[in-house]
Amino acid sequence: ILNVEQSPQSLHVQEGDSTNFTCSFPSSNFYALHWYRWETAKSPEALFVMTLNGDEKKKGRISATLNTKEGYSYLYIKGSQPEDSATYLCAFMRGGLGSTLGRLYFGRGTQLTVWP
Amino acid sequence: DAGVTQSPTHLIKTRGQQVTLRCSPKSGHDTVSWYQQALGQGPQFIFQYYEEEERQRGNFPDRFSGHQFPNYSSELNVNALLLGDSALYLCASSPTGGGSQHFGDGTRLSIL
Repeated sequence: ILNVEQSPQSLHVQEGDSTNFTCSFPSSNFYALHWYRWETAKSPEALFVMTLNGDEKKKGRISATLNTKEGYSYLYIKGSQPEDSATYLCAFMRGGLGSTLGRLYFGRGTQLTVWP
Repeated sequence: DAGVTQSPTHLIKTRGQQVTLRCSPKSGHDTVSWYQQALGQGPQFIFQYYEEEERQRGNFPDRFSGHQFPNYSSELNVNALLLGDSALYLCASSPTGGGSQHFGDGTRLSIL
């Protein structure tokens, strides 16, 4: 069984606060780590695909870091806004001998609510 | 440029029935994956289709089957529906060689 864990499960912050969430995944047979943002009644939106240890990616006020050796990724949101309210999902893609790329193993997500 | 489209949006069935869900991939994508998201869980991989063949499969029973057509669109079929099949079914497409998977809005399936 391949476990991808996300914490916290939910988070409530005030507008303007900065916040971060964690995604833990297996440190062996790593190929890629995906982050998605999922607003209610919409489709999951791809934020980042991270492949290299030490990778840092940024998109506006959202950034992510990756540590493949210890099996974790952080997602940061600077100066949260109400429109950032969504569920943030991470998904692990396994590599290695015998693996077929394309299958994503998802965590349960972190549900972020930003109050005005 | 149309993204991934799924139909229907919602569906209500009773136990024992059969259902077919449909997905059209994003333009330029040839690989389609299906995921099931039960309440309180992350999406779980059902299977992936490429070149009209099932390329890999998750831990789902044979009641779950699929098909991919020459135009890359795909169907997910579930036979002998159980209450536990109630979930949101997501379709995702990606181009050959990988990259981000683009998701549709999903089909909400309720089993009574």
